[in-house]
Amino acid sequence: AQRVTQPEKLLSVFKGAPVELKCNYSYSGSPELFWYVQYSRQRLQLLLRHISRESIKGFTADLNKGETSFHLKKPFAQEEDSAMYYCALSLNSGAGSYQLTFGKGTKLSVIP
Amino acid sequence: EAGVTQSPTHLIKTRGQQATLRCSPISGHTSVYWYQQALGLGLQFLLWYDEGEERNRGNFPPRFSGRQFPNYSSELNVNALELEDSALYLCASTPRWGAGVNEQFFGPGTRLTVL
Repeated sequence: AQRVTQPEKLLSVFKGAPVELKCNYSYSGSPELFWYVQYSRQRLQLLLRHISRESIKGFTADLNKGETSFHLKKPFAQEEDSAMYYCALSLNSGAGSYQLTFGKGTKLSVIP
Repeated sequence: EAGVTQSPTHLIKTRGQQATLRCSPISGHTSVYWYQQALGLGLQFLLWYDEGEERNRGNFPPRFSGRQFPNYSSELNVNALELEDSALYLCASTPRWGAGVNEQFFGPGTRLTVL
Protein backbone atom coordinates (compact mmCIF):
# COMPACT_ATOMS: atom_id res chain seq x y z
CA ALA A 1 0.00 0.00 0.00
CA GLN A 2 1.11 3.54 -0.61
CA ARG A 3 2.41 5.67 2.24
CA VAL A 4 3.50 9.29 2.68
CA THR A 5 5.93 10.28 5.41
CA GLN A 6 6.59 13.78 6.69
CA PRO A 7 9.29 13.33 9.31
CA GLU A 8 8.92 16.73 10.97
CA LYS A 9 5.83 17.58 12.98
CA LEU A 10 7.03 21.11 13.58
CA LEU A 11 9.57 23.24 11.79
CA SER A 12 10.56 26.68 13.02
CA VAL A 13 12.63 29.03 10.91
CA PHE A 14 13.49 32.71 11.04
CA LYS A 15 12.05 35.12 8.53
CA GLY A 16 14.32 35.30 5.51
CA ALA A 17 15.86 31.89 6.14
CA PRO A 18 15.49 29.02 3.65
CA VAL A 19 12.77 26.47 4.24
CA GLU A 20 12.66 22.80 3.35
CA LEU A 21 9.71 20.62 4.28
CA LYS A 22 10.49 16.97 3.76
CA CYS A 23 8.22 14.40 2.17
CA ASN A 24 8.97 10.81 1.28
CA TYR A 25 6.58 8.35 -0.28
CA SER A 26 6.39 4.66 -0.91
CA TYR A 27 4.63 3.39 -3.98
CA SER A 28 5.91 1.12 -6.71
CA GLY A 29 4.09 2.84 -9.55
CA SER A 30 4.03 6.42 -10.81
CA PRO A 31 1.97 8.49 -8.44
CA GLU A 32 1.11 12.13 -8.64
CA LEU A 33 2.40 14.20 -5.72
CA PHE A 34 0.90 17.31 -4.20
CA TRP A 35 1.51 19.80 -1.44
CA TYR A 36 -1.57 21.12 0.34
CA VAL A 37 -1.50 23.99 2.83
CA GLN A 38 -3.86 25.02 5.59
CA TYR A 39 -3.51 28.54 6.95
CA SER A 40 -4.99 29.42 10.32
CA ARG A 41 -8.81 29.31 10.21
CA GLN A 42 -8.84 28.52 6.50
CA ARG A 43 -9.65 25.38 4.59
CA LEU A 44 -7.16 22.97 3.13
CA GLN A 45 -6.02 24.18 -0.28
CA LEU A 46 -3.71 22.98 -3.01
CA LEU A 47 -0.32 24.68 -3.03
CA LEU A 48 1.33 22.87 -5.90
CA ARG A 49 1.49 19.59 -7.82
CA HIS A 50 4.53 17.96 -9.29
CA ILE A 51 3.25 17.68 -12.85
CA SER A 52 2.78 21.41 -13.21
CA ARG A 53 6.38 22.14 -12.17
CA GLU A 54 5.49 25.68 -11.20
CA SER A 55 6.43 27.94 -8.34
CA ILE A 56 3.59 29.09 -6.11
CA LYS A 57 4.17 31.81 -3.49
CA GLY A 58 7.88 31.21 -3.96
CA PHE A 59 7.62 27.51 -3.14
CA THR A 60 8.92 24.78 -5.40
CA ALA A 61 9.01 21.01 -5.12
CA ASP A 62 10.83 18.50 -7.28
CA LEU A 63 9.86 14.88 -7.56
CA ASN A 64 12.88 12.64 -7.07
CA LYS A 65 11.83 9.16 -8.09
CA GLY A 66 15.16 7.64 -7.13
CA GLU A 67 14.86 8.85 -3.55
CA THR A 68 11.02 8.72 -3.62
CA SER A 69 10.94 12.25 -2.26
CA PHE A 70 8.98 15.40 -2.95
CA HIS A 71 10.46 18.02 -0.66
CA LEU A 72 8.98 21.52 -0.55
CA LYS A 73 11.43 24.41 -0.65
CA LYS A 74 11.45 28.17 -0.42
CA PRO A 75 14.64 30.26 -0.42
CA PHE A 76 13.39 33.01 1.92
CA ALA A 77 10.64 32.32 4.43
CA GLN A 78 7.97 34.95 5.11
CA GLU A 79 5.77 35.28 8.19
CA GLU A 80 2.69 34.59 6.07
CA ASP A 81 4.11 31.16 5.23
CA SER A 82 3.30 29.99 8.76
CA ALA A 83 0.77 27.20 8.27
CA MET A 84 0.23 23.46 8.27
CA TYR A 85 1.64 21.74 5.20
CA TYR A 86 0.55 18.33 3.97
CA CYS A 87 2.22 16.22 1.34
CA ALA A 88 -0.20 13.98 -0.54
CA LEU A 89 -0.08 11.25 -3.12
CA SER A 90 -2.71 10.34 -5.68
CA LEU A 91 -2.92 7.26 -7.79
CA ASN A 92 -5.51 5.84 -10.06
CA SER A 93 -6.55 2.97 -7.85
CA GLY A 94 -9.01 1.53 -10.29
CA ALA A 95 -12.24 2.86 -11.71
CA GLY A 96 -10.58 6.25 -11.99
CA SER A 97 -10.39 6.99 -8.27
CA TYR A 98 -8.04 9.82 -7.41
CA GLN A 99 -8.23 9.60 -3.65
CA LEU A 100 -5.39 11.23 -1.78
CA THR A 101 -3.06 9.59 0.70
CA PHE A 102 -1.77 12.26 3.06
CA GLY A 103 1.24 12.58 5.27
CA LYS A 104 0.58 13.65 8.85
CA GLY A 105 1.61 17.20 8.13
CA THR A 106 4.33 19.62 9.17
CA LYS A 107 3.55 22.80 11.03
CA LEU A 108 5.76 25.58 9.75
CA SER A 109 6.34 28.50 12.08
CA VAL A 110 8.21 31.51 10.73
CA ILE A 111 9.74 33.59 13.48
CA PRO A 112 9.81 37.34 12.82
CA GLU B 1 -17.52 30.86 -7.61
CA ALA B 2 -18.84 29.29 -4.43
CA GLY B 3 -16.57 26.70 -2.88
CA VAL B 4 -17.38 23.37 -1.32
CA THR B 5 -19.77 23.77 1.58
CA GLN B 6 -20.35 21.45 4.52
CA SER B 7 -22.93 21.33 7.27
CA PRO B 8 -23.17 21.38 10.14
CA THR B 9 -19.99 23.06 11.32
CA HIS B 10 -20.09 21.21 14.61
CA LEU B 11 -21.99 18.12 15.69
CA ILE B 12 -22.13 16.61 19.15
CA LYS B 13 -23.49 13.10 19.62
CA THR B 14 -23.34 10.36 22.19
CA ARG B 15 -22.06 6.84 21.79
CA GLY B 16 -24.39 4.60 19.83
CA GLN B 17 -26.18 7.43 18.06
CA GLN B 18 -26.09 8.16 14.35
CA ALA B 19 -24.54 11.22 12.72
CA THR B 20 -25.33 12.71 9.32
CA LEU B 21 -22.94 15.10 7.65
CA ARG B 22 -23.62 16.98 4.44
CA CYS B 23 -21.51 18.28 1.59
CA SER B 24 -22.27 20.40 -1.47
CA PRO B 25 -19.61 20.29 -4.19
CA ILE B 26 -18.51 23.09 -6.44
CA SER B 27 -20.94 23.64 -9.29
CA GLY B 28 -19.98 21.40 -12.19
CA HIS B 29 -18.10 18.92 -10.02
CA THR B 30 -19.57 15.44 -9.96
CA SER B 31 -17.09 13.60 -7.72
CA VAL B 32 -17.17 13.89 -3.95
CA TYR B 33 -14.52 12.50 -1.62
CA TRP B 34 -14.82 12.17 2.15
CA TYR B 35 -11.86 12.18 4.51
CA GLN B 36 -11.53 11.76 8.26
CA GLN B 37 -8.98 13.80 10.18
CA ALA B 38 -8.68 12.25 13.60
CA LEU B 39 -6.18 13.42 16.20
CA GLY B 40 -2.87 11.69 15.70
CA LEU B 41 -4.00 9.79 12.61
CA GLY B 42 -3.92 12.49 9.98
CA LEU B 43 -6.21 12.71 6.99
CA GLN B 44 -7.55 9.36 5.88
CA PHE B 45 -9.64 8.60 2.81
CA LEU B 46 -13.15 7.40 3.66
CA LEU B 47 -15.37 7.28 0.59
CA TRP B 48 -15.63 8.39 -3.02
CA TYR B 49 -18.92 9.09 -4.76
CA ASP B 50 -19.46 9.88 -8.40
CA GLU B 51 -22.58 10.07 -10.52
CA GLY B 52 -24.67 8.94 -7.58
CA GLU B 53 -22.71 5.79 -6.84
CA GLU B 54 -20.16 4.75 -4.25
CA ARG B 55 -17.03 4.11 -6.32
CA ASN B 56 -14.40 3.36 -3.70
CA ARG B 57 -13.98 3.25 0.05
CA GLY B 58 -11.09 3.38 2.44
CA ASN B 59 -10.29 1.07 5.31
CA PHE B 60 -13.33 1.94 7.44
CA PRO B 61 -16.10 -0.31 8.79
CA PRO B 62 -19.49 -0.53 7.06
CA ARG B 63 -21.12 1.69 9.67
CA PHE B 64 -19.54 4.53 7.69
CA SER B 65 -21.76 4.95 4.67
CA GLY B 66 -23.30 7.65 2.57
CA ARG B 67 -24.92 8.59 -0.63
CA GLN B 68 -24.82 11.10 -3.42
CA PHE B 69 -27.90 12.88 -4.67
CA PRO B 70 -28.85 13.80 -8.26
CA ASN B 71 -27.52 17.33 -7.69
CA TYR B 72 -24.18 15.74 -6.70
CA SER B 73 -24.40 16.81 -3.08
CA SER B 74 -23.47 14.08 -0.66
CA GLU B 75 -24.28 12.78 2.78
CA LEU B 76 -22.01 10.85 5.11
CA ASN B 77 -23.70 8.71 7.73
CA VAL B 78 -21.93 7.24 10.69
CA ASN B 79 -23.96 4.66 12.60
CA ALA B 80 -23.40 3.27 16.10
CA LEU B 81 -21.04 6.09 16.97
CA GLU B 82 -17.92 5.26 18.94
CA LEU B 83 -15.70 7.64 20.88
CA GLU B 84 -12.91 7.24 18.34
CA ASP B 85 -15.16 8.60 15.60
CA SER B 86 -14.58 12.05 17.05
CA ALA B 87 -12.76 13.87 14.27
CA LEU B 88 -12.92 16.54 11.62
CA TYR B 89 -14.65 15.22 8.52
CA LEU B 90 -13.62 16.87 5.28
CA CYS B 91 -15.36 16.73 1.96
CA ALA B 92 -13.65 17.46 -1.35
CA SER B 93 -14.94 17.71 -4.89
CA THR B 94 -13.47 17.40 -8.36
CA PRO B 95 -14.79 17.26 -11.88
CA ARG B 96 -15.08 13.71 -13.17
CA TRP B 97 -13.07 14.26 -16.32
CA GLY B 98 -10.66 16.75 -17.76
CA ALA B 99 -7.58 18.61 -16.62
CA GLY B 100 -8.86 19.30 -13.12
CA VAL B 101 -9.79 15.73 -12.31
CA ASN B 102 -6.86 15.27 -9.97
CA GLU B 103 -7.19 18.55 -8.07
CA GLN B 104 -9.41 18.29 -5.02
CA PHE B 105 -11.16 21.30 -3.56
CA PHE B 106 -11.90 20.97 0.13
CA GLY B 107 -14.72 22.18 2.29
CA PRO B 108 -14.25 23.68 5.77
CA GLY B 109 -15.14 20.44 7.49
CA THR B 110 -17.58 19.20 10.12
CA ARG B 111 -16.24 18.70 13.62
CA LEU B 112 -17.91 15.61 15.10
CA THR B 113 -17.60 15.06 18.83
CA VAL B 114 -18.80 11.80 20.33
CA LEU B 115 -19.40 11.84 24.08
